[in-house]
Amino acid sequence: GDSVTQMEGPVTLSEEAFLTINCTYTATGYPSLFWYVQYPGEGLQLLLKATKADDKGSNKGFEATYRKETTSFHLEKGSVQVSDSAVYFCALGTGFQKLVFGTGTRLLVSP
Amino acid sequence: DADVTQTPRNRITKTGKRIMLECSQTKGHDRMYWYRQDPGLGLRLIYYSFDVKDINKGEISDGYSVSRQAQAKFSLSLESAIPNQTALYFCATSQQAGTDTQYFGPGTRLTVL
Repeated sequence: GDSVTQMEGPVTLSEEAFLTINCTYTATGYPSLFWYVQYPGEGLQLLLKATKADDKGSNKGFEATYRKETTSFHLEKGSVQVSDSAVYFCALGTGFQKLVFGTGTRLLVSP
Repeated sequence: DADVTQTPRNRITKTGKRIMLECSQTKGHDRMYWYRQDPGLGLRLIYYSFDVKDINKGEISDGYSVSRQAQAKFSLSLESAIPNQTALYFCATSQQAGTDTQYFGPGTRLTVL
């Protein structure tokens, strides 16, 4: 069945460091791909998405490119801030209005 | 005001009690979902509803039931709560068609003693 695999955390970085959180997927067909972010004590918020191969989603300095050949959707940011500390979830849309989530990766950014 | 609201935000209950978690939305979306979040397991789908007359089981529906009272309201019930149902529960909504994007409520933290 469809599945998403993310790197385990926590990922610990200093402010202004470069961030990569790896995400790979297994799916039939051509899923949409998403990154959601969960700040402490809050629900999940859509961070960015891509709906077809080679699309790049971007928001708030974060980027991810839909790579069909490597079945990946890695999240990157050039310079993280303390306020980026959160849990990040990769997800795929099955095309039937259901999402399959990864297990989440906690990011901790220190000043 | 938040588009997707959940009540209560926190609840502590005892084994065997019946619990209802409520979700309301003002986004006008037809589709609503209930998830639970456990550390290290991500989000898992409990039930989903594509309209008022449509209810579907997700991957972990055992021990849960739902009611779609209106387009804007979707409730999750635990008929007889057990400790391993201690988790964070999220409601989400999405548009009728054309996108898989879902919008989440703030969550309900449920503890079953």
